[in-house]
Amino acid sequence: GESVGLHLPTLSVQEGDNSIINCAYSNSASDYFIWYKQESGKGPQFIIDIRSNMDKRQGQRVTVLLNKTVKHLSLQIAATQPGDSAVYFCAENSSGSRLTFGEGTQLTVNP
Amino acid sequence: DSGVTQTPKHLITATGQRVTLRCSPRSGDLSVYWYQQSLDQGLQFLIHYYNGEERAKGNILERFSAQQFPDLHSELNLSSLELGDSALYFCASSQLSRGETQYFGPGTRLLVL
Repeated sequence: GESVGLHLPTLSVQEGDNSIINCAYSNSASDYFIWYKQESGKGPQFIIDIRSNMDKRQGQRVTVLLNKTVKHLSLQIAATQPGDSAVYFCAENSSGSRLTFGEGTQLTVNP
Repeated sequence: DSGVTQTPKHLITATGQRVTLRCSPRSGDLSVYWYQQSLDQGLQFLIHYYNGEERAKGNILERFSAQQFPDLHSELNLSSLELGDSALYFCASSQLSRGETQYFGPGTRLLVL
């Protein structure tokens, strides 16, 4: 069945380092992917998205990489800051309008 | 701030009761989605409405129902509440339908005692 999962449940980095959060998906029909950031007590916040006809997309301090061959998605955060501490979810859209979310990775940035 | 609003922010009720959660989408968005977030299930899609019509159903219980009104706001009705219904309920909106970014509201935290 469809599933989107994350490799690591937690990630701890030092302030200023780069962070890489990974996500595996199993549905080869998925054609749209989104990364969300969720801070405690808040709703998921859009970070960046990518369509299946691309393999890389860059935003402000963030880059998403898509490897369709191995069905892998990653989020890279440059110069990680304490304000980046949150849970990060990948989500995929393949069947209609619903988003299927991964389990989430808790990113902790140590000052 | 995503532009999506949800009320109430918190809700405490008893088993067997019925509650209504409300969502107003971003200005101009025609689609409203409802998701449930619990500790053991993660974020799960419940239902999608587009311009007043139901478009997709996910893991939504028969005790739950939703609707989208002509002004595009949406309500999620939860009835015969059980302890296991305690969760965060999020509404999201998008301009059209499939393959678009969904913007999430702040959520309603429901506690069933």
